[in-house]
Amino acid sequence: KNQVEQSPQSLIILEGKNCTLQCNYTVSPFSNLRWYKQDTGRGPVSLTIMTFSENTKSNGRYTATLDADTKQSSLHITASQLSDSASYICVVSAVYSSASKIIFGSGTRLSIRP
Amino acid sequence: DVKVTQSSRYLVKRTGEKVFLECVQDMDHENMFWYRQDPGLGLRLIYFSYDVKMKEKGDIPEGYSVSREKKERFSLILESASTNQTSMYLCASSLDTGELFFGEGSRLTVL
Repeated sequence: KNQVEQSPQSLIILEGKNCTLQCNYTVSPFSNLRWYKQDTGRGPVSLTIMTFSENTKSNGRYTATLDADTKQSSLHITASQLSDSASYICVVSAVYSSASKIIFGSGTRLSIRP
Repeated sequence: DVKVTQSSRYLVKRTGEKVFLECVQDMDHENMFWYRQDPGLGLRLIYFSYDVKMKEKGDIPEGYSVSREKKERFSLILESASTNQTSMYLCASSLDTGELFFGEGSRLTVL
């Protein structure tokens, strides 16, 4: 069964600190993995995309990693800011011969405290 | 920038009412999606469409229908709203089923 599991469910850290969010998946055949940021009351917005051959990608203070062998990804946030408070959703795409499927994790809710 | 616009940010309806949620995208994307988002469950796909007048059931289509008469517009219809359909509804579009571009969401409360 295709699944995406994220941990922790929620996280509170102080402004300026770093944090790492985890994503484990059992999606096959794997196509790509995206991290989305969803501010409260808004729609998700894509942060990064990782394909099978990539193992690190950065977008400003956000760095995503992918280990396709262990089927794990992480999102590292450096020097957190109050505006980083949001839910972070891991999304994995599978591609079949005639269609594709997108599987969502349930998200990690990150709160940054001043 | 891609813009996906959902017609209503907040709606309150009564049980049994018919509900229309409208979604419009301005980037000529072929693919459009309707999801619902509930705490702890993540986003669940209700219906999607790969072309005008085409629709496919997602994971939880029961109680919903959709309409795509024009490429830019994808409507979600609740024929007879029930309290268990209280949720956040998110519309998305994509060019190649890759990156999804989401609207701001429509929070529906059914009393």
